[in-house]
Amino acid sequence: DAEITQSPRHKITETGRQVTLACHQTWNHNNMFWYRQDLGHGLRLIHYSYGVHDTNKGEVSDGYSVSRSNTEDLPLTLESAASSQTSVYFCASRLALNTGELFFGEGSRLTVL
Amino acid sequence: AQSVTQLDSQVPVFEEAPVELRCNYSSSVSVYLFWYVQYPNQGLQLLLKYLSGSTLVKGINGFEAEFNKSQTSFHLRKPSVHISDTAEYFCAVSDYGSGNTPLVFGKGTRLSVIA
Repeated sequence: DAEITQSPRHKITETGRQVTLACHQTWNHNNMFWYRQDLGHGLRLIHYSYGVHDTNKGEVSDGYSVSRSNTEDLPLTLESAASSQTSVYFCASRLALNTGELFFGEGSRLTVL
Repeated sequence: AQSVTQLDSQVPVFEEAPVELRCNYSSSVSVYLFWYVQYPNQGLQLLLKYLSGSTLVKGINGFEAEFNKSQTSFHLRKPSVHISDTAEYFCAVSDYGSGNTPLVFGKGTRLSVIA
């Protein structure tokens, strides 16, 4: 079955370190998205991609970057982790239409000490 | 820009009672509307969606939602809830047409079903 997987599922890191969260999908979806989930804020869009070599900033992109070198993967990098980036991160994908269902990974819980 | 307001952050309800989770969106133009559910320690999954046609949309697990264009609302309902419905529910909106824009989510409503 097609799926979307995130790794690691849990990570603890220190302030100032670089962290990369992986996202891999096997649906061959063009659209991929990264959201963060925080209590009281719901889901907020960090970055997204509509295809290979395409990346776009979301509403909370500061301190994060993504790259899309193939259809299956959209890794999220925190260049210099900050305590404010402690959160649960969700990757999602869909076909390239606004009507399409978003498929979510199970999330990556990141703690920055 | 689109925005979504979920009017209740938490809704406690007794088992077998009806429930309504409220959602309003900001756009005055046509939109697509979605409800997603998140069970504890899981990702989100689609509950139902409104694209066009009948304003009453039926989803999985006995949930339904009614699209009201004049009130810009898309409230989620279930006539009789179960303990297993305890979860967080997110309303979301995307632009109408053949475009390709990110989904905008509300802040979520935590439904707690009490035995």
